[in-house]
Amino acid sequence: GAVVSQHPSRVICKSGTSVKIECRSLDFQATTMFWYRQFPKQSLMLMATSNEGSKATYEQGVEKDKFLINHASLTLSTLTVTSAHPEDSSFYICSASAGSQETQYFGPGTRLLVL
Amino acid sequence: AQKVTQAQTEISVVEKEDVTLDCVYETRDTTYYLFWYKQPPSGELVFLIRRNSFDEQNEISGRYSWNFQKSTSSFNFTITASQVVDSAVYFCALREVAQKLVFGQGTRLTINP
Repeated sequence: GAVVSQHPSRVICKSGTSVKIECRSLDFQATTMFWYRQFPKQSLMLMATSNEGSKATYEQGVEKDKFLINHASLTLSTLTVTSAHPEDSSFYICSASAGSQETQYFGPGTRLLVL
Repeated sequence: AQKVTQAQTEISVVEKEDVTLDCVYETRDTTYYLFWYKQPPSGELVFLIRRNSFDEQNEISGRYSWNFQKSTSSFNFTITASQVVDSAVYFCALREVAQKLVFGQGTRLTINP
């Protein structure tokens, strides 16, 4: 149990375009989903927390207009990187939990490369 | 403020050796949760264990075991008879009640055949 999928696993895009990443909980209802960013050989950095049906809560320093998060259902959250730039290239990982205090289960991650 | 320290950046051992990954945490709360995750080269974080602050019992799961000691604020992870497939980055994490999950910097474990 507790399987989380992410799509796409890898994406290459041109600077200025927008990219959408999907995160799905496959076998449980995720009231809370989290989006992290990970730079090479570094730890995970929390970007935002989203609760189903509510606006996401962004961490300090994360631009909400650039990283749009939607958590429209109990099994799906999306992260849209708008007007992507090369500095947005990174590994993005989502996690899902049955509640904000429950264990987080992570997706396989999405490698974004902006040219 | 909550903080997790994994002092070992990289560890390299030969297959079948036992290896212990250290994790030291800081928190002012009496109720908190500790976690270990494994991140293989594929990138996915695999949940290994969750322990709450009221349960100091050590746990064993196959070749994996965890030693939780509140007196030293440590939650160490031991792999017995290591295998090449154990090669990964291992993260220790801490969460206080109603707070976000805070990760350590990770320990890169390499098991050589």
